[in-house]
Amino acid sequence: DTGVSQDPRHKITKRGQNVTFRCDPISEHNRLYWYRQTLGQGPEFLTYFQNEAQLEKSRLLSDRFSAERPKGSFSTLEIQRTEQGDSAMYLCASSLGGNLYEQYFGPGTRLTVT
Amino acid sequence: QKEVEQNSGPLSVPEGAIASLNCTYSDRVSQSFFWYRQYSGKSPELIMSIYSNGDKEDGRFTAQLNKASQYVSLLIRDSQPSDSATYLCAVIGGSARQLTFGSGTQLTVLP
Repeated sequence: DTGVSQDPRHKITKRGQNVTFRCDPISEHNRLYWYRQTLGQGPEFLTYFQNEAQLEKSRLLSDRFSAERPKGSFSTLEIQRTEQGDSAMYLCASSLGGNLYEQYFGPGTRLTVT
Repeated sequence: QKEVEQNSGPLSVPEGAIASLNCTYSDRVSQSFFWYRQYSGKSPELIMSIYSNGDKEDGRFTAQLNKASQYVSLLIRDSQPSDSATYLCAVIGGSARQLTFGSGTQLTVLP
């Protein structure tokens, strides 16, 4: 059983550049979530997909952030015009759906904006 | 008021002791409760879920839920140095599907 995978694991970029992260959920999971975590804090919700539909976005998610999940499989999270405050661990999680709410996290992508 | 609150710690217990981690939440309609373990530099790992009032045991871990008091706890019996990590409490409330996390409690188990 393959877990959630994320790519890249680390990304260093200069302020103002665009970055894109990829998440591959557990194969039979139809729900996919993106979270962001900064040092000393718990993960904060960014957005959520059920199959290919983006059902919820956090108010924290500025218009520089966009996420997609084409065909309900992998997902991408893009950050445009990165700022130093975007430096964080970006976590992807997936869950089976229905009444099963357990979410399993991938290893995360650590973003550093210089 | 934060939606999910945990004592940040650090909490230190000797090896073999019981570690007790506590969490309170503000949304009365919350239905699903989870404990995650996070080692430094790693992603959160699900260790327990609980949906009904009472206790749920899994190996050395016991989760306790009291919805009337809006309180959930995690007990770790026979604590081992490998249990040293940050423990995150997470809640799903109402019609939401996303997790709301506390800030975590850092646990150190001393050999």
